[in-house]
Amino acid sequence: DAGVIQSPRHEVTEMGQEVTLRCKPISGHNSLFWYRQTMMRGLELLIYFNNNVPIDDSGMPEDRFSAKMPNASFSTLKIQPSEPRDSAVYFCASSPNSAYNEQFFGPGTRLTVL
Amino acid sequence: AQSVAQPEDQVNVAEGNPLTVKCTYSVSGNPYLFWYVQYPNRGLQFLLKYITGDNLVKGSYGFEAEFNKSQTSFHLKKPSALVSDSALYFCAVREIGSARQLTFGSGTQLTVLP
Repeated sequence: DAGVIQSPRHEVTEMGQEVTLRCKPISGHNSLFWYRQTMMRGLELLIYFNNNVPIDDSGMPEDRFSAKMPNASFSTLKIQPSEPRDSAVYFCASSPNSAYNEQFFGPGTRLTVL
Repeated sequence: AQSVAQPEDQVNVAEGNPLTVKCTYSVSGNPYLFWYVQYPNRGLQFLLKYITGDNLVKGSYGFEAEFNKSQTSFHLKKPSALVSDSALYFCAVREIGSARQLTFGSGTQLTVLP
């Protein structure tokens, strides 16, 4: 298995632009997670899906952030409009649907908003 | 509520010496506990987990961790450190039966000196 796939790996954009991050989870995994990592805040859970349904989006910082999972093999995280403080590494992770199963992380997308 | 603390931001150890990365947790009931490692510009990788049973858990790359319920700790250990073990280590907890997902610690940067 190729593992969790994220694209793009790097994104540089200007303030006010729309940014879309993409994730393909591991086949057969029921749960999908979006995280943000910064030096200041560490690793933050933004949202997670179970069987393509958003379960908890309490970590989404603002209405500028939205996430979708139209099917079991694809998810997007969108920021519109982007701001410099959104600069971070965004990780997608997936896991089988069980409380004691570990999460498998993708390589991340490094976002820089100028 | 569940939380996890990694009291050391940085741990330095000489190659060949034993290493310990500390983790304490707080849950209302019983925990599932995890350790992850992050190498530069990579996603988090699962190392090991405690679910139930033997308090000493063995994982990847020669790492092990001991679950201590009385001290609410789950310290990561390795008998002989390698330079290649240098990375950022995260402890994570999930309370059994809770709807909440994993809570990650702030991370400990391990540097193994040659």
